[in-house]
Amino acid sequence: NAGVTQTPKFQVLKTGQSMTLQCAQDMNHEYMSWYRQDPGMGLRLIHYSVGAGITDQGEVPNGYNVSRSTTEDFPLRLLSAAPSQTSVYFCASSSRGHTDTQYFGPGTRLTVL
Amino acid sequence: GESVGLHLPTLSVQEGDNSIINCAYSNSASDYFIWYKQESGKGPQFIIDIRSNMDKRQGQRVTVLLNKTVKHLSLQIAATQPGDSAVYFCAEGASTYNFNKFYFGSGTKLNVKP
Repeated sequence: NAGVTQTPKFQVLKTGQSMTLQCAQDMNHEYMSWYRQDPGMGLRLIHYSVGAGITDQGEVPNGYNVSRSTTEDFPLRLLSAAPSQTSVYFCASSSRGHTDTQYFGPGTRLTVL
Repeated sequence: GESVGLHLPTLSVQEGDNSIINCAYSNSASDYFIWYKQESGKGPQFIIDIRSNMDKRQGQRVTVLLNKTVKHLSLQIAATQPGDSAVYFCAEGASTYNFNKFYFGSGTKLNVKP
C-alpha cells in the first residue's frame, strides 16, 4: 500500500491564481481531511469528509473548496490564492474519524507570492 | 524543512537518556489524547494515544501520562535514539465531538545528541 499520497510536493503561485492539491489513499478509509500547518501553530483543520459525497467545514475553511467523488480521492481547491494561504498542507485519512489512527500524507509546501 | 519564524521549544538529550515531553491542554471536556511525531519534511506520525479513563499507557519505548487534574499530558521516551529526533506534538479532543473539534498543539522539538 502506498498509504496517503499528495501531489505536488512544492508549489509556488501568484496571488489570484487557482490550483488543486491532490490527495489519494489506498486504504479504503472513510474519513479524509485537509490540514494546514503554519510556523509555531498546530495543525488546523480546513475541510473533512466522512465518506464519498459528504464533506464539511473545519476550523479554517475560507478560500478552499473540497469534493469527495470517490473513497480514494479528496482534492483541495484554492479558488483565488492569497499570501495568507502560504503554508504546508497535509491530507490525512482514517477508518473511523479522529479517534482512530490518522495516516498523514507527506505534505505540500505552498508559497503564494 | 525549516520555517522562518518558527520558534518551538527545544529539548536536547543525550543518546541513551530518557526524554520527557510535556503538553498542557485547555479543554476539560477533552477525553481523548494523541501524541504525534513529525520528522523534518514529513507528515505527522501517530505514536500513542490515551483516553481519559486511564492515567498511563505504555507502548514500545514510549509512555504517555495523563493528569486530568492539571490538564497535563506527557510523553516519555526511554533510551532515546538519534532516530527519535523530531517535533512531537499532542492533540486533544472529545470522542463524542464532531471531527472538527480536535485540536493540535504546536509541538516540541527533540534534539538527540550522539
